[in-house]
Amino acid sequence: NAGVTQTPKFQVLKTGQSMTLQCAQDMNHNSMYWYRQDPGMGLRLIYYSASEGTTDKGEVPNGYNVSRLNKREFSLRLESAAPSQTSVYFCASSYLDSYEQYFGPGTRLTVT
Amino acid sequence: KQEVTQIPAALSVPEGENLVLNCSFTDSAIYNLQWFRQDPGKGLTSLLLIQSSQREQTSGRLNASLDKSSGRSTLYIAASQPGDSATYLCAVRPRGAGSYQLTFGKGTKLSVIP
Repeated sequence: NAGVTQTPKFQVLKTGQSMTLQCAQDMNHNSMYWYRQDPGMGLRLIYYSASEGTTDKGEVPNGYNVSRLNKREFSLRLESAAPSQTSVYFCASSYLDSYEQYFGPGTRLTVT
Repeated sequence: KQEVTQIPAALSVPEGENLVLNCSFTDSAIYNLQWFRQDPGKGLTSLLLIQSSQREQTSGRLNASLDKSSGRSTLYIAASQPGDSATYLCAVRPRGAGSYQLTFGKGTKLSVIP
């Protein structure tokens, strides 16, 4: 089991560029999450998906879109990157909402 | 709005010492609380999940306790080792609507000195 995988590991973008962060899990989990982690702010939820085809906004959804392609994959898209989106992005999954969450290794994104 | 606080922000102990990490939360209407470990430049690793109806959970040298009424949880690490050096995060899950939203503390950075 690879668990939760994320690509890419590192990315540098210029302001206004777009990109998609990919996440996949092989644990047959129903729920998937995207977080960002910033110094002094802790982890904050961007978007959540309870199942294929459903998504909900978290605490900081502005500037992001998500797609739950199938049960395994949950992608995060930045349509027009801004320096404020410089952060470390983590994908996580859990069997159901109330179960333990398992995290991927993260994507370190810098927007210049 | 739920707030989660972890004090101290950093802790340095000699190898072999038993230690306690603290987590406090403002709203006691929680479903469960999860403790994580994060190594530098890595993702989070789940250590223990403690349900609101439970008082304790144990895994190896780790023991987590929960006192929901006082809004506190502790993570006890026995016989600390240099390999325990990491940042430890706690997160609470609320009851009811929005229960998918964990609220995280900012973590305690632990250094175990050989």
